[in-house]
This record gives sequence, structure tokens and C-alpha cells, in this order.
Amino acid sequence: DIVMTQSPDSLAVSLGERATINCRSSESILYSINNKNYLAWYQQKPGQPPKLLIYWASTRESGVPDRFSGSGSGTDFSLTISSLQAEDVAVYYCQQYYTTPFTFGQGTKLEIK
Amino acid sequence: EVQLVQSGAEVKKPGESLRISCKASGYSFTNYWITWVRQMPGKGLEWMGRIDPSDSYINYGPSFQGHVTISVDKSINTAYLQWGSLEASDTAMYYCARVLYCSSTSCYSPFDYWGQGTLVTVSS
Repeated sequence: DIVMTQSPDSLAVSLGERATINCRSSESILYSINNKNYLAWYQQKPGQPPKLLIYWASTRESGVPDRFSGSGSGTDFSLTISSLQAEDVAVYYCQQYYTTPFTFGQGTKLEIK
Repeated sequence: EVQLVQSGAEVKKPGESLRISCKASGYSFTNYWITWVRQMPGKGLEWMGRIDPSDSYINYGPSFQGHVTISVDKSINTAYLQWGSLEASDTAMYYCARVLYCSSTSCYSPFDYWGQGTLVTVSS
């Protein structure tokens, strides 16, 4: 199985500041045929299901604010929130969908400082 | 509007059977695979398996193979997750989700719409 490891486990950032969450896969999830990274980011707020934010490592899902961005390739990826808003408090998960079993990172809890 | 509406919370005893459901609306049910994800209390997300509603082709995650059964009834746009014999360790929130995109030959895509979750509690 591909192991997804996120860092840090928790993060406290001031309102309006930048937040960055990292995700590393145990093997490359870049498919050379189409040059796509099979990596998604989800946001989960308390008591809610996860919400898709980013896929193909950097494509923002429709309706997601542009302060959310994804980057990286191969085995190292990042989710950046450019200016933290109060409503961004949540747990964030990365996921590889390159091969089954699809696997998620352990989650990063984002809080307001 | 795409919606996945799951059945309500369940409380069961070890050894009992259970089937939970996920009813889809707002899109063509047979055009999108459905996947199931487990979230144990206070823990992260675990992929359980997926099904192609058009022909009921199924992939299970190795941790769940043989312990759960995924199925669909396309006449009523509903997917199911069932257990033949529950264990206390099955206590968790279970989510169904729609797979964003599948081609005719492969289905490696994120999950764009999620159900609200079904809480299953297994306790003697």
C-alpha cells in the first residue's frame, strides 16, 4: 500500500496569515503517461463529511475559494491557504488515488492562533 | 443538485448483521462509481471499496475484503454496505461518496460528493 504522511499533525495560524500543510507519499503518484499527480486534498469540519478541495495535486474543485492552492509532484505535495479565515478551521487530509487501496494521510488539524 | 443521502444511525450487538444505504439523486446513477469510507471515532479516513453501479463490478480494500459486502440496486439509485457479523471494532462513521470521473477502462479519481455519514455503534 502507498503510505501518505502529512506534516505537521496540527497547526495554529493567525487570521490572515498563510498556512501550509505537507503531504508525502511512500512512492511516486505521478503517472508518466498523462503527467498527472493522483493526489487530492479534503477538508473536514467537525460533524461534517469531508469536502473535496483540490485534485490532480493543483486543480481547485468548483466553488473552492482561490485562497486554497495545491502544489507538488512525484512524492511531495503541499496545500496552502494564502490568508487564513475563521471558517478554514478543520482537519485536512491528503489522498492518493493512483492505485488501490486508495489511502489517506493521517490528517492535519488547523486551528486559529 | 447532486445528493447522497445515507440511512440513519444504528446500534447493534456483536454478531448481528447490518445493511446501511446511500441513496443518490441529481445525476445519472450508473455513470459514476460509488465508494465507501470508514472513519473510526477520533481517527482518520480509510477507503473500504468501490462499486460501478452499471455492472456491479467491485474493488475492496484488503483490510475490508471478506468482512463487508458492497452492492447496489440501480432500480432505486441506492448503494449498500453490509456486514454479516458485526464486531465492536466496526464502530465508526461510514461515508459513501461519488467518484468524480471514471473512463471506460479505468477509475482513478477523487471523491466529489459525500453522504452525510451513518454512525454505526456495535456494543454488547
